[in-house]
Amino acid sequence: LAKTTQPISMDSYEGQEVNITCSHNNIATNDYITWYQQFPSQGPRFIIQGYKTKVTNEVASLFIPADRKSSTLSLPRVSLSDTAVYYCLAVAGNNRKLIWGLGTSLAVNP
Amino acid sequence: KAGVTQTPRYLIKTRGQQVTLSCSPISGHRSVSWYQQTPGQGLQFLFEYFSETQRNKGNFPGRFSGRQFSNSRSEMNVSTLELGDSALYLCASSLESDNSPLHFGNGTRLTVT
Repeated sequence: LAKTTQPISMDSYEGQEVNITCSHNNIATNDYITWYQQFPSQGPRFIIQGYKTKVTNEVASLFIPADRKSSTLSLPRVSLSDTAVYYCLAVAGNNRKLIWGLGTSLAVNP
Repeated sequence: KAGVTQTPRYLIKTRGQQVTLSCSPISGHRSVSWYQQTPGQGLQFLFEYFSETQRNKGNFPGRFSGRQFSNSRSEMNVSTLELGDSALYLCASSLESDNSPLHFGNGTRLTVT
């Protein structure tokens, strides 16, 4: 059974780098792993997606090892406005259903 | 480009009633999916529509149904509401079903009393 697991919560301070890791098993071999950010009373917002190795955009980096059993979202120099819930999303290998993590609530402190 | 629009934003219903929620996707997006979000349960997939056809369905009872129109707008309906149906219902659109990033609306907050 495909599943994604991520920490329930994390704490950080302004200016630090934050790494959130999601474990995923039995996921499809040819689909992206995607991360979303959600603020209260809003829908999730796409941050980044990748297939393997490392992907970087203007807001984050995503590291995916060759075995694709995990992925790590890296937020450089977080600010108070990065306080949000972060979700990882993968595709199940057997039935291609989307598998969402339960979300990591990141609190950035001053 | 306008984002995904969901109406209404808030809704209060009583048990046994039915409700219809509406979603207008981003222009050009043909895939629309619906999610139920409750504290501690994360995002629970309801169903996905592509070009007016339901392509995927989650594990929800038949009281939850949806449809998509020729202009890609979508509606979901919940009949015989139960207290446990209280949740944030999110709609997401994408260009295609696989691997395209999902663009979410801000949801409809449904409260069943």
